Amino acid sequence: DIQMTQSPSSLSASVGDRVTITCRASQSISSYLNWYQQKPGKAPKLLIYAASSLQSGVPSRFSGSGSGTDFTLTISSLQPEDFATYYCQQSYSTPRFGPGTKVDIK
Amino acid sequence: QVQLQESGPGLVKPSGTLSLTCAVSGGSISSSNWWSWVRQPPGKGLEWIGEIYHSGSTNYNPSLKSRVTISVDKSKNQFSLKLSSVTAADTAVYYCARAKDVAVASPFDYWGQGTLVTVSS
Repeated sequence: DIQMTQSPSSLSASVGDRVTITCRASQSISSYLNWYQQKPGKAPKLLIYAASSLQSGVPSRFSGSGSGTDFTLTISSLQPEDFATYYCQQSYSTPRFGPGTKVDIK
Repeated sequence: QVQLQESGPGLVKPSGTLSLTCAVSGGSISSSNWWSWVRQPPGKGLEWIGEIYHSGSTNYNPSLKSRVTISVDKSKNQFSLKLSSVTAADTAVYYCARAKDVAVASPFDYWGQGTLVTVSS
């Protein structure tokens, strides 16, 4: 059973900041790693799939990298609409989500 | 534009069966996609429940497998979830979602708005 961890669990940032969130798998998942954004009361939204592919319609300030067990989601310049919770999800085996990283306003 | 809409009772009694339906519009449930259920307890993270293909093939989360049944109704362009022997721990927002393509390991690109199901007497 592959476990997912994320760090930090929360962070405070300002508009314009560069933000990096880390996701780690308990064993290698190749590049089968996806990132979602969730705002309060809303469904998750797919941002990045296969570790580094940008989903259609998602702004280019979002990027993903990594393979194996360590992955990162980077927001190059945080915008007001980016304050949300971010989840990683491995799709190498039984789909499992990370615990989430909440990004709020500093 | 594919749209998914969950429906079903918002309150289920302990030991009962939770039943939800996801109606698909703007696309066909017989397309080359798997269709999933995902849940989120209040204030907590996301848990994948299981998935179905239009052929009727299913995959379930091992942690829930003994209590879950997912079925498809192609004539109504919808799929359904049944979760038996529910307890308060099954209280959650339940989402239906579409996998991006038929490939193994496909991410979820379309989601329903979610429906809160509370387990309480």
